[in-house]
Amino acid sequence: QKEVEQDPGPLSVPEGAIVSLNCTYSNSAFQYFMWYRQYSRKGPELLMYTYSSGNKEDGRFTAQVDKSSKYISLFIRDSQPSDSATYLCAMSAGNQFYFGTGTSLTVIP
Amino acid sequence: EADIYQTPRYLVIGTGKKITLECSQTMGHDKMYWYQQDPGMELHLIHYSYGVNSTEKGDLSSESTVSRIRTEHFPLTLESARPSHTSQYLCASNDPGREQYFGPGTRLTVT
Repeated sequence: QKEVEQDPGPLSVPEGAIVSLNCTYSNSAFQYFMWYRQYSRKGPELLMYTYSSGNKEDGRFTAQVDKSSKYISLFIRDSQPSDSATYLCAMSAGNQFYFGTGTSLTVIP
Repeated sequence: EADIYQTPRYLVIGTGKKITLECSQTMGHDKMYWYQQDPGMELHLIHYSYGVNSTEKGDLSSESTVSRIRTEHFPLTLESARPSHTSQYLCASNDPGREQYFGPGTRLTVT
């Protein structure tokens, strides 16, 4: 079983939709949770990071962590065509990082 | 915004050549990492370092070596490039227990 599971999609939504991206994990020692956005042929760009259970909001983005269910989510409100990218979840328990395989998102104008 | 740089951004090279991919960060991070990523695939850890003169192999050492002589610099060397090394190489860094930042990547093609 992989440490981190992420639905690869692809996910296609109309502009303005609310997008929900999710990851599950198996290691209860994970304490730090991150979401990255990666455009084609670019490096991953850090979007959000959280240290504990609960919600964290930054503009149109909300990261949610539920440690009891070992489940994290990224919500994108009022999605824009520029949000079209691959979204990677990541988590760590100290020195090592574990990544999901990424969800490909397309926002259609 | 992350201050982590990689050169070259793109490289096409013949089989058997020795190449070095450069990575530098100006954030003073002790921890640095090299990952390999194929299109649509997950990241694979190649090497990592927790500080100067400290290097470790990851799951996919890929016949490569690294060095960490200065905090800000973490180059990756392929002694003899093969077509199977064709991929995107990503450098990353972070403070202990904190979020990880990535460079823009080097896209390597070995012919």
